Parts: sequence; C-alpha cells; structure tokens
Amino acid sequence: EAQVTQNPRYLITVTGKKLTVTCSQNMNHEYMSWYRQDPGLGLRQIYYSMNVEVTDKGDVPEGYKVSRKEKRNFPLILESPSPNQTSLYFCASRGNYNEQFFGPGTRLTVL
Amino acid sequence: LAKTTQPISMDSYEGQEVNITCSHNNIATNDYITWYQQFPSQGPRFIIQGYKTKVTNEVASLFIPADRKSSTLSLPRVSLSDTAVYYCPRGGFKTIFGAGTRLFVKA
Repeated sequence: EAQVTQNPRYLITVTGKKLTVTCSQNMNHEYMSWYRQDPGLGLRQIYYSMNVEVTDKGDVPEGYKVSRKEKRNFPLILESPSPNQTSLYFCASRGNYNEQFFGPGTRLTVL
Repeated sequence: LAKTTQPISMDSYEGQEVNITCSHNNIATNDYITWYQQFPSQGPRFIIQGYKTKVTNEVASLFIPADRKSSTLSLPRVSLSDTAVYYCPRGGFKTIFGAGTRLFVKA
C-alpha cells in the first residue's frame, strides 16, 4: 500500500531534550516536506526537500533541522525543543503532478 | 509569497451542491491547482487537481477559468461526512496552505 508513515504518533517531552520525528514514504517520490499545524493557523511549511541532499526552508524553519540522506526518509530534528514547538506535525511526499500525500501526523507536546 | 484566498467557513445541508471558490491571484504559469480535504487530527487528503478548464472525478469537480486566477471546487450532494476543512494551497516547492474553508454540513 502506498503510504507515508511517521513515528512516533504521540510524544511528550521536556524543554531542551533533543528529539527526532521520522518520516518514510514508499512511493519513490523525490519531493518531501514537513508541516506544522496549530489551531486557527492551517498548515505551515517547515522544510522541504526536492531530492536527496537538497533541502530548503519553508515558512517556519526556526528551531528545526532536517536531513535527506536517502529518497524514502526525511526526518525532522528538534535539537532543543521549546514549548512553542508544541504542535501537530505532518510529513508529506509529492507525486508527479504535485499532489501531496500526507502522513498520519505526530502530536508533540513540549513541557 | 502570497497565499491563496478562500472563505473561512460555509454551511450547507445534506443533499445540496456546495461550491467553494479560491482566489489564485499570483499563480505561477506551471503550477497546478490542487484541493485537499482535512478531518480533525488527520493529514490532509488530496481531492482533485487541474491546470485549466474542468476536471471531474468520483468525488468532486474543479472549475478553472481561462485566466487561472481562481478555481471552484464543487461537491455534489454533500453528506454529513463531508464536514471538513478544504484547502487550495499555493503550489510550487514552497507550499502555502492558509487556514482553509471550514465546511459544515447539517442534516
């Protein structure tokens, strides 16, 4: 089944404790992206990657890092999480006609 | 980068046709127009996409005028399960979603 998977689905952590949210797709898509969603703000793009080793900032990249060492994986790294990064995170990959396929989401709480 | 513009919310009744319009004033020449549906706590789901004129699939139709500065998502005969948020994001590598249109379908 074609899909985008994210792990973990839920995470509660404390300020300053480094964490990684993994994202994987099995559709051989070149483009992948991370979004965060906060109440009333819709989805905001954090980072995107056009291909392996090629990444660029979206609208809200501060406090986040990404890497794209292989086509199927695009992890999101929070080196020193803060409470304002408490949010619902979505990973997505994009098909040939620009339609995006989203993962199930990761609900992160930073205390 | 300018966002697309769409109504914040709409109400409808079961069985009615719903049309949601999006303004794409700054659309790039090579951008497709894509619509998504999102239920609470789930990732957005692709509904339909087009470049110009009209596209229809099993769930919706998409109308795009010749100047491509707007698009209209048409949902025929909505049901309660169509209550969701609908997005028409600005495309390209940097995707801008905006707050979407919250559709509420009443019985």
